[in-house]
Amino acid sequence: DTGVSQDPRHKITKRGQNVTFRCDPISEHNRLYWYRQTLGQGPEFLTYFQNEAQLEKSRLLSDRFSAERPKGSFSTLEIQRTEQGDSAMYLCASSLAGTGGFAGANVLTFGAGSRLTVL
Amino acid sequence: KQEVTQIPAALSVPEGENLVLNCSFTDSAIYNLQWFRQDPGKGLTSLLLIQSSQREQTSGRLNASLDKSSGRSTLYIAASQPGDSATYLCAVVGWFGNEKLTFGTGTRLTIIP
Repeated sequence: DTGVSQDPRHKITKRGQNVTFRCDPISEHNRLYWYRQTLGQGPEFLTYFQNEAQLEKSRLLSDRFSAERPKGSFSTLEIQRTEQGDSAMYLCASSLAGTGGFAGANVLTFGAGSRLTVL
Repeated sequence: KQEVTQIPAALSVPEGENLVLNCSFTDSAIYNLQWFRQDPGKGLTSLLLIQSSQREQTSGRLNASLDKSSGRSTLYIAASQPGDSATYLCAVVGWFGNEKLTFGTGTRLTIIP
């Protein structure tokens, strides 16, 4: 297993276009997270999945953003009608949650990120 | 709402020196605290995780401490090397966070050869 993979690593698009990012988590991990990081800031939580269920979405995730994890494996994050303010690094992370539910002891493994530049 | 602060925002030290990075958080009801490293344009690498019941964790030249009651953590780096140059982020998980991390803004560390 090579860890968490994200594709593409860098996307440049014009304002108003749609973009989609893909994340492949570590294969046995059942939880998958999306974070957004703007320049000079720490990452901010966007949403997370347990298996295929999207369990929480941040208020940062406007209706132009949609995330899916259709088979509980890879996930996609789509941004419609991009705006310059969407320019950021989009980070994916995964972890293995225990059967007890809350497993805050687990370390999240992050991917290298997908950098979006909106012109 | 949990807020995490890291001061200073940037730090430069000569190679070989020991150094301390600081992290503070406003809500002491945390499940754990993690320190991450981020190289320019790259993702995050987990360095150390401290459970709320623990006081410190060590890995090689790194030692992280946690004082939950005062809302503070420190990351101590011994005998710094140029390869330690990176941004260091701390993040906390609240008791009801489902592993959702709240990050600080990071300290950009430069080790001068």
